[in-house]
Amino acid sequence: AQKITQTQPGMFVQEKEAVTLDCTYDTSDQSYGLFWYKQPSSGEMIFLIYQGSYDEQNATEGRYSLNFQKARKSANLVISASQLGDSAMYFCAMREAYTGGFKTIFGAGTRLFVKA
Amino acid sequence: AAGVIQSPRHLIKEKRETATLKCYPIPRHDTVYWYQQGPGQDPQFLISFYEKMQSDKGSIPDRFSAQQFSDYHSELNMSSLELGDSALYFCASSKDSYGYTFGSGTRLTVV
Repeated sequence: AQKITQTQPGMFVQEKEAVTLDCTYDTSDQSYGLFWYKQPSSGEMIFLIYQGSYDEQNATEGRYSLNFQKARKSANLVISASQLGDSAMYFCAMREAYTGGFKTIFGAGTRLFVKA
Repeated sequence: AAGVIQSPRHLIKEKRETATLKCYPIPRHDTVYWYQQGPGQDPQFLISFYEKMQSDKGSIPDRFSAQQFSDYHSELNMSSLELGDSALYFCASSKDSYGYTFGSGTRLTVV
């Protein structure tokens, strides 16, 4: 079963507008972490934002915020005031505990195109 | 601040050859993860190490092996390379399962 679902293969947004990238997850754990990563065309994975399952407030990091709805198991990324440099692939990921450690599983990603 | 260092950045190998990828985690990070990302795909978890012991194993082929050394650096060894092994290989490290940081990746091309 798919643990992380990103239903939007591609998204377009006008420069300076806000955009929401969807992410839903599936877990039976009470304690888990949710991440968003940005992968530009150069290939590196850039950490954007983190939300712990026990965090009551939505995480924010500059122009990035995570709309965490625990009951719906969704962790959407909101990018405000989009910039041309935001054009990239965005991955939602979930960290779960396993015996002896942790593992992070990624969604299929959403490719964001920012238009001038 | 120091980041996760991966070497080499690019590697070209022929089929059936062997490759070794290296990863140097952020100092004092106790966990190292390896991921494989094929063209146009999401990263797939391969294997992880916690305090130099293998902690979890994902979709790592039997032709691949990995270990973490006493200085916490890790190596991913890949033998009998196949064309399908061409991918971007990421290493990530974390401390107390937080601060999950990726290296820049090694792009392996098998020809």
